[in-house]
Amino acid sequence: GAVVSQHPSRVICKSGTSVKIECRSLDFQATTMFWYRQFPKKSLMLMATSNEGSKATYEQGVEKDKFLINHASLTLSTLTVTSAHPEDSSFYICSARGGRETQYFGPGTRLLVL
Amino acid sequence: AQSVTQLDSQVPVFEEAPVELRCNYSSSVSVYLFWYVQYPNQGLQLLLKYLSGSTLVESINGFEAEFNKSQTSFHLRKPSVHISDTAEYFCAVKMPGSQGNLIFGKGTKLSVKP
Repeated sequence: GAVVSQHPSRVICKSGTSVKIECRSLDFQATTMFWYRQFPKKSLMLMATSNEGSKATYEQGVEKDKFLINHASLTLSTLTVTSAHPEDSSFYICSARGGRETQYFGPGTRLLVL
Repeated sequence: AQSVTQLDSQVPVFEEAPVELRCNYSSSVSVYLFWYVQYPNQGLQLLLKYLSGSTLVESINGFEAEFNKSQTSFHLRKPSVHISDTAEYFCAVKMPGSQGNLIFGKGTKLSVKP
């Protein structure tokens, strides 16, 4: 089946720094990718929808200037958490849209901001 | 707006026992329904989905789920579980025609013990 990778799998950073997370579709092209955030014992919450070659669509309550999304190619979307703070610590998961209402998910990136 | 409820956060069972993971949803319109599985340290994988047609859908590894419109449920069942079924299971809904926004439940951790 289709494979989506994320890098890094785990990152620890200092408060105030920026962190970039990459999401790649390895064996298919994805015009649409999604970024989710998962809190402990809670659902995955959609943050934004990323479309190749255009601006991302952010969900209500998600700061677009804080969570920068770039979908520059059909196989790569990046999420940059700018000026990270401890409350940004979370598990970030990306997915890529496939056919027949299917999304292929990456393994997630755990971010810890100190 | 749609919402998904997975009442059981954890379900411990013994190997070869039957299991049912419950999922109820709330929506004023018809929805597509999904079950995703997340094995330890891996991304979410699609287990099965209901889009239309037969209300009973099956996966290749013995799981099945039945769409019950009157009870707004999509419970996941397996008659005999294996140790390898230990994982987190997420129920999700999607509104037909939407770009791809999946609404997830909080997940159910299935632990299969020998």
